[in-house]
This record gives sequence, C-alpha cells and structure tokens, in this order.
Amino acid sequence: ETGVTQTPRHLVMGMTNKKSLKCEQHLGHNAMYWYKQSAKKPLELMFVYSLEERVENNSVPSRFSPECPNSSHLFLHLHTLQPEDSALYLCASSQDSGRAITPPDTQYFGPGTRLTVL
Amino acid sequence: GENVEQHPSTLSVQEGDSAVIKCTYSDSASNYFPWYKQELGKRPQLIIDIRSNVGEKKDQRIAVTLNKTAKHFSLHITETQPEDSAVYFCAATLGDSWGKLQFGAGTQVVVTP
Repeated sequence: ETGVTQTPRHLVMGMTNKKSLKCEQHLGHNAMYWYKQSAKKPLELMFVYSLEERVENNSVPSRFSPECPNSSHLFLHLHTLQPEDSALYLCASSQDSGRAITPPDTQYFGPGTRLTVL
Repeated sequence: GENVEQHPSTLSVQEGDSAVIKCTYSDSASNYFPWYKQELGKRPQLIIDIRSNVGEKKDQRIAVTLNKTAKHFSLHITETQPEDSAVYFCAATLGDSWGKLQFGAGTQVVVTP
C-alpha cells in the first residue's frame, strides 16, 4: 500500500528529546490530518490542513507542532513529550471540494507511527 | 458535549451469523457517516459510508442504515467470516465543520469458526 505513508513506523523517545513524524500522500489530495489513537479510546483529531493552511487545531498541547510544507507532506514535530503521549499517531488525507456544506470526501489513513515516550 | 457513542464495545459471533454495531450522535447538523475497519496492527480502512440524504446503503455483505430523526446509524455484516474479525469504528462529521470527523470508541468483532 503506497497511498499514504508514514515514517518512522515505531519511535521510542525520552521526555527531553525532539523528534519529528513524517507523512506523505500519493493520492493527489489537498487535505491532510493528524490523529492520535490511544488504547480503548476513540480516534482523536489533532490537526487538519487544507490547501496547506491549518484549519483545525483541536486544543492540542504546544509540545506537538504540525507543519505542512506542501499538499503531499505533513510533519508532526515533537518536543518535551510526556509518557501519556504514548500512542499510535495516524495521518490521513482526503480531497477537499472547497465547499463547507458538502460532506467531506473519504479520509485515507496511513499505517501510523507507534510512539513510546519513556 | 458533541460525541459519538458506539455499542457494543466487543461482539463475538459464530461464522455465518450476522453482526450489528450501533452508533448514536448528538449533532443534528452531521451529514456524513463513515465506517472504518482496523485489523490488528494495520491502518483504519473505509468499508462503507452514508450521507445524510440516504437512509440505507449496501455493499455485498455490508450495509449501513441511518435514522436522522433518532440520530443513530448502524453497521450490519451478514454471513460473517473469520476475516471480518477486526475493530470497527463509526464516525460522524461535526456539524458543518469541514473535515472534522468524530469517531466512536470502536467495536472489537471476533468471528469464531
């Protein structure tokens, strides 16, 4: 599967480290998302980028910093994380029709990065 | 607050039987309802979706029904097979907030041969 890729697939970091997660989509979409998936909890939307502009920041702590340099790439920069930030971080992409009243198109997910904060 | 509730959290069925998962939502403006399947260690994948102007949609052994008045929607899997074993997530758009999906907590489905 090459539609949406994420690297690294696994990451272990200390609370004082700085690391970045990368997502790349090969579907020609113009919107990208970061989600956090913790055990036994619903998928939590973190950030939404449409046409490279951030359109949603779902009350995420500042230790998570997204970056979208173009419509195909999305990064999540991590610094001074806490153990409770350990989770699977999923990237997704979709095609934004540009009309808010139109239901969104399907979101396609990447395989995720399994993050462990020690 | 705005949320999506999903039941049951776990579901065990015999191969060949049907499985039904139900979700309720609170935002009457929600207009898109996808269902995702996530196998162990894999990414969530869309299996079916329904938009608010439709009451039912079917794709082979999978069907989704939507009751906008009652604000609930359900996933039906008929003639279940072992490969249907996975976690299933429902989701709903948050009003007219473009791209903002709120997910249910998931249902672990186990199909026993």
